[in-house]
Amino acid sequence: DTEVTQTPKHLVMGMTNKKSLKCEQHMGHRAMYWYKQKAKKPPELMFVYSYEKLSINESVPSRFSPECPNSSLLNLHLHALQPEDSALYLCASSQDLPTNEQFFGPGTRLTVL
Amino acid sequence: DAKTTQPPSMDCAEGRAANLPCNHSTISGNEYVYWYRQIHSQGPQYIIHGLKNNETNEMASLIITEDRKSSTLILPHATLRDTAVYYCIVREVWGGGATNKLIFGTGTLLAVQP
Repeated sequence: DTEVTQTPKHLVMGMTNKKSLKCEQHMGHRAMYWYKQKAKKPPELMFVYSYEKLSINESVPSRFSPECPNSSLLNLHLHALQPEDSALYLCASSQDLPTNEQFFGPGTRLTVL
Repeated sequence: DAKTTQPPSMDCAEGRAANLPCNHSTISGNEYVYWYRQIHSQGPQYIIHGLKNNETNEMASLIITEDRKSSTLILPHATLRDTAVYYCIVREVWGGGATNKLIFGTGTLLAVQP
């Protein structure tokens, strides 16, 4: 299995809602990542987990809360988002080796009303 | 990580070789050159990476100049399915985990024409 899966594919939420994005991989990768991609822009790194511990937070607002419950799962909890947070949220995983490549999921398209 | 410069868009005829350039004049000795692509509405896909030697895999070839200040990704026989945004990324490689950041530039939109 060489796939990163993300659910849901699409999500529409109001500014007072709480929702979660889910990412899963079964490649034995010990590094997992969240990226945000606005329309017609490149992906921007948000968080990096290494061995289930948060190793990088790119100054992301606290309304985004990542969680890595085990080595195969990565969640992104969303609360009190703003319309400008509407974007494609991409999850990726990689071996925790120096030159490893990252495998990306298809993303969750989030719309905040 | 060093900054990269790529043309915003390129066209290529189907069946011909696509040569995508990337400038990275401030690259340092321990920085690798990575290429990813993103087909519309999909997640990015790894293509190839290299340090100083030319590299080839089943998808593409990577030619890095001797001074390492620029590189070219070559898709030998472009197909319509190769239409995508191609990102050239220069990344320092040491250790693992926390250092494995990918910083995407604006990339090149390659349009393969029938």
